This record gives sequence, C-alpha cells and structure tokens, in this order.
Amino acid sequence: DQQVKQNSPSLSVQEGRISILNCDYTNSMFDYFLWYKKYPAEGPTFLISISSIKDKNEDGRFTVFLNKSAKHLSLHIVPSQPGDSAVYFCAATGAGSYQLTFGKGTKLSVIP
Amino acid sequence: DTGVSQDPRHKITKRGQNVTFRCDPISEHNRLYWYRQTLGQGPEFLTYFQNEAQLEKSRLLSDRFSAERPKGSFSTLEIQRTEQGDSAMYLCASSLSGTGNPRTAYEQYFGPGTRLTVT
Repeated sequence: DQQVKQNSPSLSVQEGRISILNCDYTNSMFDYFLWYKKYPAEGPTFLISISSIKDKNEDGRFTVFLNKSAKHLSLHIVPSQPGDSAVYFCAATGAGSYQLTFGKGTKLSVIP
Repeated sequence: DTGVSQDPRHKITKRGQNVTFRCDPISEHNRLYWYRQTLGQGPEFLTYFQNEAQLEKSRLLSDRFSAERPKGSFSTLEIQRTEQGDSAMYLCASSLSGTGNPRTAYEQYFGPGTRLTVT
C-alpha cells in the first residue's frame, strides 16, 4: 500500500513556463510534507516543506500548496529553468514518527 | 560547513559476503537516518538514531542488517550474507532536533549514497 503517490512519472515543460508537480497521500496522520530534488548519482536535496497547519509555503521560485481535505499537495516552479531538470520526490511524515515516506518521484525536464 | 558524507560511494560484492557502510552526518545534527532506494522507487526508511539510541526500525530491516551509532556521531550499516535483492542505493540523512522548531527536526539532509551491487 503506497501511502504517498506521485502519479506522473515524468513531466516536460518549456523554459520560463510554470512546472506543476503533484502528490497525493492516503495516511491522515501525516502532518508535515517535504519536496526533494534529486540529480543522477547524488542524494536527494531538500527543497521546500509545509506543515499541515498551513495551505501554502513559498520560497523564491518554489511554492508548495497543501489541500488537506483532498490529501493533495503540489509544487509549483515559476519560472522553470533548465537547471531544474531532475527527479522530484514528495515525502510525508507525522504521527510522532520522524521517518519520511516518499513517493516514487516525477522526472521533470525543462526544455530550453 | 560540510554536508552528510558516505563511504564508500560504490561497493560490488559477491552473494554471501558481508559489507559495511559508513555515514558521517552534519556535525551538529543529533538524528541520523538510513534509507534504501531501488530503481524507480523513492527512498524507503530503514532505521533512525537519536544520538546513540536506535529509536525506530522498519520491518525492511531484516536480521541480516545491523546499524550502529556508537558515540552519537558517525554510523555504520552492516549487511551480512548479502543477497542479490540487497542491491540498491543506501542513503544516509541527518537532522537536528531540540531547537524548539519542529521544522528543523523534520527536514532531513541526505548524503550522496552508497551504491551496492551484489553479484
């Protein structure tokens, strides 16, 4: 049973446009959500996070939106740059545990 | 300020051999985590330490796996009698708790990983 789902394995976006990556979760005990970016042969790099008490968190070009009732979150990247091309993982945690539960990732390609 | 480091970066071993990996967390971080990632999957949690105490273990961590963090600094992950199914990327992460800010406790910083190939 996959508790964190990223249903789009890949996404292609033109440089300068918006990239929207989606994530759904099933465990209602999750109360903190994170996005990581991963380049080949490197470990995941922390990007941005959001607590369940918020519905939006913004950091520069990156914004994460959380819809608790739908158990859905999304990462918006505006404007997209070629250097953003990577695999993006959504992760969740909560219920007193510090382990992160990850989705399978979405490979973003930003086309110059 | 150095990040999380892992050694070795790559390990090729024959089935049945034992292997040990090392992780050095960010120096002031008191929590240390081990994850495993296979092709096409996200990282899967194995275990975590707060200081030297091992506080959580996944059911993925069979009795062939053992992790230690003897002085609350670096950690080792040992796999005994390796099997081909153990082939994966083993990732270490660290975080800081006790600052009063739950954000910093949840935000984990990963090392580059150790890629294990069992032949």
